[in-house]
Amino acid sequence: KAGVTQTPRYLIKTRGQQVTLSCSPISGHRSVSWYQQTPGQGLQFLFEYFSETQRNKGNFPGRFSGRQFSNSRSEMNVSTLELGDSALYLCASGSSGAQETQYFGPGTRLLVL
Amino acid sequence: QKEVEQNSGPLSVPEGAIASLNCTYSDRVSQSFFWYRQYSGKSPELIMSIYSNGDKEDGRFTAQLNKASQYVSLLIRDSQPSDSATYLCAVNPGLAGGFKTIFGAGTRLFVKA
Repeated sequence: KAGVTQTPRYLIKTRGQQVTLSCSPISGHRSVSWYQQTPGQGLQFLFEYFSETQRNKGNFPGRFSGRQFSNSRSEMNVSTLELGDSALYLCASGSSGAQETQYFGPGTRLLVL
Repeated sequence: QKEVEQNSGPLSVPEGAIASLNCTYSDRVSQSFFWYRQYSGKSPELIMSIYSNGDKEDGRFTAQLNKASQYVSLLIRDSQPSDSATYLCAVNPGLAGGFKTIFGAGTRLFVKA
């Protein structure tokens, strides 16, 4: 079974630009969550999508948005980039059922200059 | 107050010893608990998941959960240098369904050969 894939793996952007990151979950998983990891704040939850609907949301500003397609692939968009948005963005594919579990993709490393 | 607390370490143990990693959480209704291992520059890798009180063993790893004390731990037996990594404790509330996982800051483990 293929794992979680994220593209691109690395990105360099400048302040004010926008960026779109993509994630394909494990086959059969309908939940996709996004996390931001920085040295100062650690791993923080952004949002979760399930069956094309945002099911849970973290405490990030509206510049961070996402969506999920019918094939469960998800995209995350960050508009008006700030220097502080430089981070590792991780996508997690979630299994359903009584014992839900998440598996992380390799991440997209974003550098904002 | 942080919602998931871990000793930041570093925790240093000799090869072959038992490494004990601890975590406390503040949300009493949390349902799912996870330990992830993260090597430098890589994404988190699921090591253990635990959902009910007691012990759960998988190879050299044992997770222990005590919901009354709001405490979860990970024991690594016969520690190997390859176990040197940051271990992240993660807690998912789960009541409303889906994922809104909160991560601790991580404990850095060094296993000395």
